[in-house]
Amino acid sequence: EAGVAQSPRYKIIEKRQSVAFWCNPISGHATLYWYQQILGQGPKLLIQFQNNGVVDDSQLPKDRFSAERLKGVDSTLKIQPAKLEDSAVYLCASSLVRLAGGAETQYFGPGTRLLVL
Amino acid sequence: AQKITQTQPGMFVQEKEAVTLDCTYDTSDPSYGLFWYKQPSSGEMIFLIYQGSYDQQNATEGRYSLNFQKARKSANLVISASQLGDSAMYFCAMRGSSGSARQLTFGSGTQLTVLP
Repeated sequence: EAGVAQSPRYKIIEKRQSVAFWCNPISGHATLYWYQQILGQGPKLLIQFQNNGVVDDSQLPKDRFSAERLKGVDSTLKIQPAKLEDSAVYLCASSLVRLAGGAETQYFGPGTRLLVL
Repeated sequence: AQKITQTQPGMFVQEKEAVTLDCTYDTSDPSYGLFWYKQPSSGEMIFLIYQGSYDQQNATEGRYSLNFQKARKSANLVISASQLGDSAMYFCAMRGSSGSARQLTFGSGTQLTVLP
């Protein structure tokens, strides 16, 4: 079974430029997550989709970040314009279903390392 | 709000020995799940083990076991017979069952180095 795919793996941009990341979840996984992981910290949830609807985007900086999941499969995360503090690893994860008691396991992709100069 | 605390920024262990990575948590949610993930230098988060708050027995997965002490709110990961490939960052995480607690909340991680 193929895992979560992400591209690009690395991206270097200058501040105020825009950037987009792509994620393809595990086949059949209804729930998709985007996380931001700053160096030395654990991942922080940015947005969660259930099929193609947004479940939680409370920690997404909506003035510059946007995300979509058309057709309930692939997803893109965009930053426009980028700031220096956006330098981080952006991880995509997917899970099969939402289970009671928080039991569903999230499977992560390899991440996209973004450096903003 | 829920919180995960990992107090060991770095740990060293000799190959073939066992090691315990500490994790304490705080939540007001009566039902929650605890997870451990491994993150090698390649960056991918690899799921290791899961423990539900109502599970009676400690979870085990191969060389990984979770020492769950609910009253102390701790969920330590035990790795037996350490291997060189176990060198990585390890994250403890939890997920509640209601409201904002349904987000997966991660600790700051422990960098484990296995010595030959």
